[in-house]
Amino acid sequence: SQQGEEDPQALSIQEGENATMNCSYKTSINNLQWYRQNSGRGLVHLILIRSNEREKHSGRLRVTLDTSKKSSSLLITASRAADTASYFCATDATETSGSRLTFGEGTQLTVNP
Amino acid sequence: NAGVTQTPKFQVLKTGQSMTLQCAQDMNHEYMSWYRQDPGMGLRLIHYSVGAGITDQGEVPNGYNVSRSTTEDFPLRLLSAAPSQTSVYFCATRTGRQPQHFGDGTRLSIL
Repeated sequence: SQQGEEDPQALSIQEGENATMNCSYKTSINNLQWYRQNSGRGLVHLILIRSNEREKHSGRLRVTLDTSKKSSSLLITASRAADTASYFCATDATETSGSRLTFGEGTQLTVNP
Repeated sequence: NAGVTQTPKFQVLKTGQSMTLQCAQDMNHEYMSWYRQDPGMGLRLIHYSVGAGITDQGEVPNGYNVSRSTTEDFPLRLLSAAPSQTSVYFCATRTGRQPQHFGDGTRLSIL
């Protein structure tokens, strides 16, 4: 089963509004990552937050992590039509070595001009 | 610097055929992984490798084989294609616990 579960599954907003996506997970993690996928393309890394961090910013992106609730959120401020994409969280579990990122099912964000 | 290159980009197979999806990287990353992505779902790990000569199974390994004879290449083999393997396949690489770099995917249809 998927480690990460995201909500909402789909989100439609107007340009200029903020978009918030949430991710919950089940096991202890080393870090949590957010990726973006444009239609027909591969995933592109957006931001990584480590288990000892609570909040991280990158441009218009703000990520929070609550390890006690096993949840994370991604906030995109002042959204643009170009932000339309699917957004996935992925967890890097502490128990495993190597490359075993586990992905959530994603949130499809549509930003209307 | 091409990053992660996947070939082919599209492929149609008949049930029972075999084929190999290619993945090549030029970043000298030790970790390489294969995922499949089905409509409305996230990525599921098929197989991964932590270095040349070392491979391991992921979440959905049945029906697929991999090998890692070099750092650069990590081919994924479908032994006997089934309609359930219709999917988009992504190869990814990373070094250490850094973020993954993805190829653009291979869209595979099995009739």
